[in-house]
Amino acid sequence: DAGVTQSPTHLIKTRGQQVTLRCSPKSGHDTVSWYQQALGQGPQFIFQYYEEEERQRGNFPDRFSGHQFPNYSSELNVNALLLGDSALYLCASSLFGGTGWGETQYFGPGTRLLVL
Amino acid sequence: LAKTTQPISMDSYEGQEVNITCSHNNIATNDYITWYQQFPSQGPRFIIQGYKTKVTNEVASLFIPADRKSSTLSLPRVSLSDTAVYYCLVGDSGAGSYQLTFGKGTKLSVIP
Repeated sequence: DAGVTQSPTHLIKTRGQQVTLRCSPKSGHDTVSWYQQALGQGPQFIFQYYEEEERQRGNFPDRFSGHQFPNYSSELNVNALLLGDSALYLCASSLFGGTGWGETQYFGPGTRLLVL
Repeated sequence: LAKTTQPISMDSYEGQEVNITCSHNNIATNDYITWYQQFPSQGPRFIIQGYKTKVTNEVASLFIPADRKSSTLSLPRVSLSDTAVYYCLVGDSGAGSYQLTFGKGTKLSVIP
């Protein structure tokens, strides 16, 4: 059973550039969330996608955008990169309507982005 | 979303039982308590989730007192591979909030 996968594993960009990160959810999951984790901090919620629409958004600027495809995979796009965007970007998948605090989220290994 | 407070760091010797307590004084009626484990440069891994009393799985136990204002994650007989950051989260997707709110977590160091 494949878990959450992300690509690429590492990425180096320069200020002002744009980047696209990709995520494939765990088999059977239909919801994808994206998180940003700076060094030494806990992950911070960016947004969540369900049925190809953004269902909820955290406190991130419009430079951060996303997309979900019919096969439930997702992309995170960041425009006009800043040095402060350097972080580990995590994708998490879950099943809509899951029991408990639903939708227990399972995380991928992350993409390490370095902005120079 | 309920705010959580947990120790910044803990040390333990191999083979000991480790208990990490999390305080969540303003937990709401429908909130669940969830714990994640994270190794460096990896995504968080779901450990356990509970609502009240005690929950046990193959990895850990979660103890929640009747007032639910705190919870304790118990790791039996830790090994060096349990060295990681442990996050306590509280929330309820039924309230229309699906995001996980992470604090800084507890850095557990297991000593040989």
